[in-house]
Amino acid sequence: ETGVTQTPRHLVMGMTNKKSLKCEQHLGHNAMYWYKQSAKKPLELMFVYNFKEQTENNSVPSRFSPECPNSSHLFLHLHTLQPEDSALYLCASSQERGRVNTEAFFGQGTRLTVV
Amino acid sequence: QKEVEQNSGPLSVPEGAIASLNCTYSDRGSQSFFWYRQYSGKSPELIMFIYSNGDKEDGRFTAQLNKASQYVSLLIRDSQPSDSATYLCASLTDSWGKLQFGAGTQVVVTP
Repeated sequence: ETGVTQTPRHLVMGMTNKKSLKCEQHLGHNAMYWYKQSAKKPLELMFVYNFKEQTENNSVPSRFSPECPNSSHLFLHLHTLQPEDSALYLCASSQERGRVNTEAFFGQGTRLTVV
Repeated sequence: QKEVEQNSGPLSVPEGAIASLNCTYSDRGSQSFFWYRQYSGKSPELIMFIYSNGDKEDGRFTAQLNKASQYVSLLIRDSQPSDSATYLCASLTDSWGKLQFGAGTQVVVTP
């Protein structure tokens, strides 16, 4: 079992729905991240949390709302999404942000389809 | 403006040969660099990282970094069919732990 667990693995939602993606890390890390991976595009960093504090919001539309209740859990709340938001959403964690050997461990991702 | 660039491939490599992957980056402030492997439908997994100029070897993999040329490479020796995947280059661009990824190079190892 991976140290970073994401649920659900697949999600289909309508543009008027509200859903949430969940991420849990069992590695004792203190930094967590949300990435978006669209076809043929680089991984895009969306949000960074360090010790539960949001340290980066990479110009993400407000229809994506992150929540980090503690260092082990990270959520991404979704509402009124658009079809172009369909992508693989990856959660990652690392021991400490900013160190030169900051290795990010990824979850298996949530494949999101907006219809 | 792309900050980390890779050839998309596919890079076709005969089994047993050396696969050579290249990556360039634009941010001179980048501190360290990571190579991830991603199988189709799976999440990225770290192969190795490098932050000093020169070579770093780990098993069949060698990472090379040239900060003056803003160039990172990955060599895969004795390529195996199981090495067929997309390889992602990433740079650590700031103290916030922001990993900037390239679009990836698809490698296909043919028996």
